[in-house]
Amino acid sequence: GAVVSQHPSRVICKSGTSVKIECRSLDFQATTMFWYRQFPKQSLMLMATSNEGSKATYEQGVEKDKFLINHASLTLSTLTVTSAHPEDSSFYICSATLPSGGVAGTLEQYFGPGTRLTVT
Amino acid sequence: TQLLEQSPQFLSIQEGENLTVYCNSSSVFSSLQWYRQEPGEGPVLLVTVVTGGEVKKLKRLTFQFGDARKDSSLHITAAQPGDTGLYLCAGHGNKLVFGAGTILRVKS
Repeated sequence: GAVVSQHPSRVICKSGTSVKIECRSLDFQATTMFWYRQFPKQSLMLMATSNEGSKATYEQGVEKDKFLINHASLTLSTLTVTSAHPEDSSFYICSATLPSGGVAGTLEQYFGPGTRLTVT
Repeated sequence: TQLLEQSPQFLSIQEGENLTVYCNSSSVFSSLQWYRQEPGEGPVLLVTVVTGGEVKKLKRLTFQFGDARKDSSLHITAAQPGDTGLYLCAGHGNKLVFGAGTILRVKS
């Protein structure tokens, strides 16, 4: 259980275009999903918390108009990188928490396989 | 702001050696998780520790949570090349806070 998928796994786009990344919880419903960005050999940087049926909560320094997040259903959240530029090239990872929280009182997150975005 | 300091940042060892990775904070966490990530993939949850002083074992991996729930360690016995990867600790406070990660390379 607790499988999270991402699509696409790899995308190359031209500067100025927009790219949509999908995150799906396959065998459970996720009211909350998280979007992270990761640079090579570095840790995960939380970009935003995606809440089903409401607006996403963005971390400080993350442009909400640049990184559009939609959580339209309990199993799907999307991240759209608008007007992408080469500096947006990165590894984007989503995660979801189990409704029960897994171990009581914790926030165990299950991660998708990530999406490698390259903007040329 | 809750911070988790993870060390060492990079570790290169020979197969069969033991190693320990540390995560330290001045903040108290209600729980702490350890993840392992391979290049081009998402992190995979290894363990969650909840109780101060808790010790959990997962084959050759031993995880400890400090008595005060401010620090944790991951000890690997007789490391194997398959253990190579990025190890991340994450503390659950107001939100999930990640350490900077430890890149482990085990040479055969």
